[in-house]
Amino acid sequence: SQKIEQNSEALNIQEGKTATLTCNYTNYSPAYLQWYRQDPGRGPVFLLLIRENEKEKRKERLKVTFDTTLKQSLFHITASQPADSATYLCALSYGGATNKLIFGTGTLLAVQP
Amino acid sequence: DADVTQTPRNRITKTGKRIMLECSQTKGHDRMYWYRQDPGLGLRLIYYSFDVKDINKGEISDGYSVSRQAQAKFSLSLESAIPNQTALYFCATSDQTGQGAGQYFGAGTRLSVL
Repeated sequence: SQKIEQNSEALNIQEGKTATLTCNYTNYSPAYLQWYRQDPGRGPVFLLLIRENEKEKRKERLKVTFDTTLKQSLFHITASQPADSATYLCALSYGGATNKLIFGTGTLLAVQP
Repeated sequence: DADVTQTPRNRITKTGKRIMLECSQTKGHDRMYWYRQDPGLGLRLIYYSFDVKDINKGEISDGYSVSRQAQAKFSLSLESAIPNQTALYFCATSDQTGQGAGQYFGAGTRLSVL
């Protein structure tokens, strides 16, 4: 069965540094991968999508890479701010055109001022 | 107003009771989903619907049922609630224009079954 792993431990970094979060998967080949942000007591918010034929995607201070050989995606936040503190979820597609997603458990990012 | 609205936001019920969680959306999306989120397990898909006449089971549909009353409304029912259905429930929507559309989530319903 498909398996997704995100760092279960919280990531603590200093304001202004680059945060790097990891998403590893096994046992299948997703057509695309998405990243979401979730704040306490709120629903996830879609951030970025990257397709299997794309190596890198950027949006403002966010950058996502997708290595289908390593079966890994890295999510970077540059010039991090305390407001970036949240849980970040990766989600991989399965089921072809159904657009169903399987979610990782998320990594809690804490940016210290 | 929120694009995806879930009601109620919090619910406490007793074992054996039937309850319904409701979701409505103003995004005009055809696709709607119900997930539950548990600590350490992440979001898991319960049911999904691609239009009013299309309902599909997700990975954990046992003990749940759904109704797609209209394009904008998708309800989740627990016919006879049990304590291990205590969780945070989310409704989400996506459009069908191209594969990989992001999903838009409601604020969630926190359900406790005593």
